[in-house]
Amino acid sequence: DTAVSQTPKYLVTQMGNDKSIKCEQNLGHDTMYWYKQDSKKFLKIMFSYNNKELIINETVPNRFSPKSPDKAHLNLHINSLELGDSAVYFCASSQFTRGQKQTQYFGPGTRLLVL
Amino acid sequence: RKEVEQDPGPFNVPEGATVAFNCTYSNSASQSFFWYRQDCRKEPKLLMSVYSSGNEDGRFTAQLNRASQYISLLIRDSKLSDSATYLCVIQNTGFQKLVFGTGTRLLVSP
Repeated sequence: DTAVSQTPKYLVTQMGNDKSIKCEQNLGHDTMYWYKQDSKKFLKIMFSYNNKELIINETVPNRFSPKSPDKAHLNLHINSLELGDSAVYFCASSQFTRGQKQTQYFGPGTRLLVL
Repeated sequence: RKEVEQDPGPFNVPEGATVAFNCTYSNSASQSFFWYRQDCRKEPKLLMSVYSSGNEDGRFTAQLNRASQYISLLIRDSKLSDSATYLCVIQNTGFQKLVFGTGTRLLVSP
């Protein structure tokens, strides 16, 4: 009955490699997000998709490319990994209602360590 | 200046104590306000929304002061299980972008 799931949970890789993180939600939501939580525990949004359309794109290196094949999935591909990419990446989802509060539900996180 | 500022703590309190966290935000156009809770090595989870008139959920009370751009969370009768990081979160206009504070760490001891 997992609401928002991410794979893998842990990812250890070498600098320069390319890796992907997958996210799926079974809540029927139309909006999904990627957040990065760095070593200082600061959580910052990276991207958001609404109905498969990119709606938020913060200042993120273009080595990071999100892809949303459908409303229930939002994947994150990272090219040429750097040491500074080491962090916890959280996926989240919500149901968009303009002008109203909404709750975002987070996945368990993917811990990425770049060596 | 960060958009959402919180005292990082940690706040060390004994069980049964009352503890209050504060948060300030810089964007006066911010629409919605929340407190999220994050346990160690876990994902953030919504604790409660914050309404202009103030709201209560059991032992937790949230207050919003739009004039001062200030949000607070009061926890009464602290439990060991309240130990976590409490994240002050604002939502700006547009597509539901949430902006997180750095969090305040609470440690409740026996």
